Amino acid sequence: EPEVTQTPSHQVTQMGQEVILRCVPISNHLYFYWYRQILGQKVEFLVSFYNNEISEKSEIFDDQFSVERPDGSNFTLKIRSTKLEDSAMYFCASKRRALVRDYEQYFGPGTRLTVT
Amino acid sequence: SQQGEEDPQALSIQEGENATMNCSYKTSINNLQWYRQNSGRGLVHLILIRSNEREKHSGRLRVTLDTSKKSSSLLITASRAADTASYFCATDNIDRDDKIIFGKGTRLHILP
Repeated sequence: EPEVTQTPSHQVTQMGQEVILRCVPISNHLYFYWYRQILGQKVEFLVSFYNNEISEKSEIFDDQFSVERPDGSNFTLKIRSTKLEDSAMYFCASKRRALVRDYEQYFGPGTRLTVT
Repeated sequence: SQQGEEDPQALSIQEGENATMNCSYKTSINNLQWYRQNSGRGLVHLILIRSNEREKHSGRLRVTLDTSKKSSSLLITASRAADTASYFCATDNIDRDDKIIFGKGTRLHILP
């Protein structure tokens, strides 16, 4: 069964450094998402992406964050200058389509980001 | 309460018993989903129920949806040790078809 994959599984970085989290969504999916989960807290929406542009973003997704689909398969989340509070599990998700509003989002296994 | 809020926050039951978790939400929705998360791991999609459905089954899982009360329940029958995990409900918003909003989850612990 196709699945969303994410790399790396764990990333340790120093405060102020740039990180890029990578995701490969399911191949025939058109909608892509990033969520994050700070340890012990709930999963929070960051951004959605469709047709090569951001369709919605949350308050968390400030100027330090950016997303890109550099080729036909990868979907990346970049944090330009990491802060301690960016430490979290980051989940990528994809969905086949949204015109029929009953398709589930498939989540990747997550990347645990630790900022020291 | 927040969109997609589960209760109880934590639940411990004996193996073999049934576990029921509830979720309440605030806005009108297209669908509601339940996810499972093992400690420190990824999110596993369990079941999606549409706003025009009242009940859905998948194996040992039964989900109900009451849109008039804006609530859903997840029932796991004949629980097993492997069911130990956190369970989240997630809702979309009828006016938007992008993000889904997760609740804080119920931590389920199955006692041997």
